[in-house]
Amino acid sequence: EAGVAQSPRYKIIEKRQSVAFWCNPISGHATLYWYQQILGQGPKLLIQFQNNGVVDDSQLPKDRFSAERLKGVDSTLKIQPAKLEDSAVYLCASSLEGLSTGELFFGEGSRLTVL
Amino acid sequence: EDKVVQSPLSLVVHEGDTVTLNCSYEVTNFRSLLWYKQEKKAPTFLFMLTSSGIEKKSGRLSSILDKKELFSILNITATQTGDSAVYLCAVENEGTYKYIFGTGTRLKVLA
Repeated sequence: EAGVAQSPRYKIIEKRQSVAFWCNPISGHATLYWYQQILGQGPKLLIQFQNNGVVDDSQLPKDRFSAERLKGVDSTLKIQPAKLEDSAVYLCASSLEGLSTGELFFGEGSRLTVL
Repeated sequence: EDKVVQSPLSLVVHEGDTVTLNCSYEVTNFRSLLWYKQEKKAPTFLFMLTSSGIEKKSGRLSSILDKKELFSILNITATQTGDSAVYLCAVENEGTYKYIFGTGTRLKVLA
């Protein structure tokens, strides 16, 4: 079974530039999450999708961050314009709703450095 | 506001030692508590604890959940250098499938 795919793995940009990250969850997983993990901290939920609808985006800085999940499969997270404090690893995760293990499956992450 | 607090923040031990990592939580509509191990890449799943499964064990790792006192511990016995990692605790909110993570405990095992 293929895992959660993310790209790019690494990205370096200057502040005020824009960047986009892509995530392809495990096939059949209805729920998709984007987490931001700043160095030395735990993952912080940015947005949660169930199929192609947003369940929770309360911690997404909507003035600069946006995310979409077209057709309930792939998802894109965009930052425009980027700030220095956006430097972090952006983790995408998916889960099979209702599965008894409740396990989150994570991608390898996209490491963003904003200069 | 839902909250997950882990302690200690970091820990350095020698091979063969036993360590106990702590996770306390406050969450509305608790469904499950999960432990993950994170090395340099993405977190990998260790255990899930729920009301119907409050104790789990796998090899040298074990975990218990105290739903009354709202905490969990992760024990690692006979530690090895390969156990060096950040251990993350996450709590799931029932009905929303929302997972709140703690800040993690960074464990370093010295040879």
